[in-house]
Amino acid sequence: NAGVTQTPKFQVLKTGQSMTLQCAQDMNHNSMYWYRQDPGMGLRLIYYSASEGTTDKGEVPNGYNVSRLNKREFSLRLESAAPSQTSVYFCASRLRGAYNSPLHFGNGTRLTVT
Amino acid sequence: DQQVKQNSPSLSVQEGRISILNCDYTNSMFDYFLWYKKYPAEGPTFLISISSIKDKNEDGRFTVFLNKSAKHLSLHIVPSQPGDSAVYFCAAEDGGSQGNLIFGKGTKLSVKP
Repeated sequence: NAGVTQTPKFQVLKTGQSMTLQCAQDMNHNSMYWYRQDPGMGLRLIYYSASEGTTDKGEVPNGYNVSRLNKREFSLRLESAAPSQTSVYFCASRLRGAYNSPLHFGNGTRLTVT
Repeated sequence: DQQVKQNSPSLSVQEGRISILNCDYTNSMFDYFLWYKKYPAEGPTFLISISSIKDKNEDGRFTVFLNKSAKHLSLHIVPSQPGDSAVYFCAAEDGGSQGNLIFGKGTKLSVKP
């Protein structure tokens, strides 16, 4: 059982380049999330998808777009990368319903924008 | 304004002693609280949670205490082990509003042999 898988693990971009971060989960979770972690800032929510077919903005959505491709996959796209987007990006998923359940995280993508 | 605060960026404890990590929140609608542990170059892993209908939840060496009147929760690790050295994140959510988890900034725990 792989859990939440993120690709790539590392990426270096030049300012203005675009890229897509991929995320897939095999736990049959309905909700998926993208967070970024910056030193001293904790985990901040970029976008989330409460269920297949829906996406919503989180705390820091500017400069990003997302696609919930199917129940398993949720991608994050940077159309024109900026140095301020240098960060570690985490994808997470959870089963959301009548009860609370914890988030399960992937191992992250470390992105550097020069 | 931060809704979930971890006011201690770091904590150092001797092996075998108790580690106490603290977390404060401001939103009285939060009813589900979690602690995550994060090692370098890995994703956060779920450690323990507590619902607002309880004031204590225990899992092995880890116990979480919730004081709703003070809007405060704490994670106790007894006894602390060097492998517990990691960053610990507190998180909270208002389940009733189908809101999302709000994370604190984390506390780096160092357990010294």
